[in-house]
Amino acid sequence: AQTVTQSQPEMSVQEAETVTLSCTYDTSESNYYLFWYKQPPSRQMILVIRQEAYKQQNATENRFSVNFQKAAKSFSLKISDSQLGDTAMYFCAFMKPTENTGTASKLTFGTGTRLQVTL
Amino acid sequence: EPEVTQTPSHQVTQMGQEVILRCVPISNHLYFYWYRQILGQKVEFLVSFYNNEISEKSEIFDDQFSVERPDGSNFTLKIRSTKLEDSAMYFCASRDDRGDTQYFGPGTRLTVL
Repeated sequence: AQTVTQSQPEMSVQEAETVTLSCTYDTSESNYYLFWYKQPPSRQMILVIRQEAYKQQNATENRFSVNFQKAAKSFSLKISDSQLGDTAMYFCAFMKPTENTGTASKLTFGTGTRLQVTL
Repeated sequence: EPEVTQTPSHQVTQMGQEVILRCVPISNHLYFYWYRQILGQKVEFLVSFYNNEISEKSEIFDDQFSVERPDGSNFTLKIRSTKLEDSAMYFCASRDDRGDTQYFGPGTRLTVL
C-alpha cells in the first residue's frame, strides 16, 4: 500500500516571500502521479499542480512549482511571491496510473500542511 | 468551466437515520469517487465507481454505505443508519477516461446528532 507523509503540520510565510512544503511518499510502483491540492477555509478541494512520475521535468503552474525527486520519493511544493489568498491547508496526494479502462485509481492523501500567509 | 456539484452543502441528521448525499459529476466523466474528511484530519478514500459498479472500496465503506448512479447525471452516497462518527465532510470527485486528475465537488458537511 502507498503512504504519503507531510511532516510539517503548520507553516507561516510573509506575503511576497517564498515557502516550500514537504511531502514524501512510499510506493513500489515505477509509474504514478503526484498532486498537490489546496483546501481554503471554505473546505473546497482545489487542484494546485500535478506531476507524472515518468517525466523528469518538474511541473510548474504560475507561482507554484514542485521539486520532484523520484529516487528520494520526495515531492515538495514551492510557492513563490506568496499571497494572502494562498492561506489554506495543502494536501499532497498519490495515485497509481490507470492501467486499464475501468481501473478507477484512488487518491491517497497526506495529513496536510496548514499554511498561513501574513502581512 | 464544468464543475462537480454536490447537494446539500450541509446536512444535519439524527443518529440512526438514513441520509443520501448527492453529486453531479462533470458530464463527460466516467469515473466517480467518494472521499471523507473528518474535521481536522486527512481526506480518506471511500469508494470508486465505473460502468455502473463499484471499482474499489475501502474498509470504511461497510454495509451501511451504498452508492448508486440512478440516472445519467447523478451519483449518490447513501448511509443507511448514521452513527456519530459519520460526521464529516464528504467529497465527490470525478475524472474522464483519458485524464488522471480527479476534480472535486465543494463537499457536503454531514453532522450526526
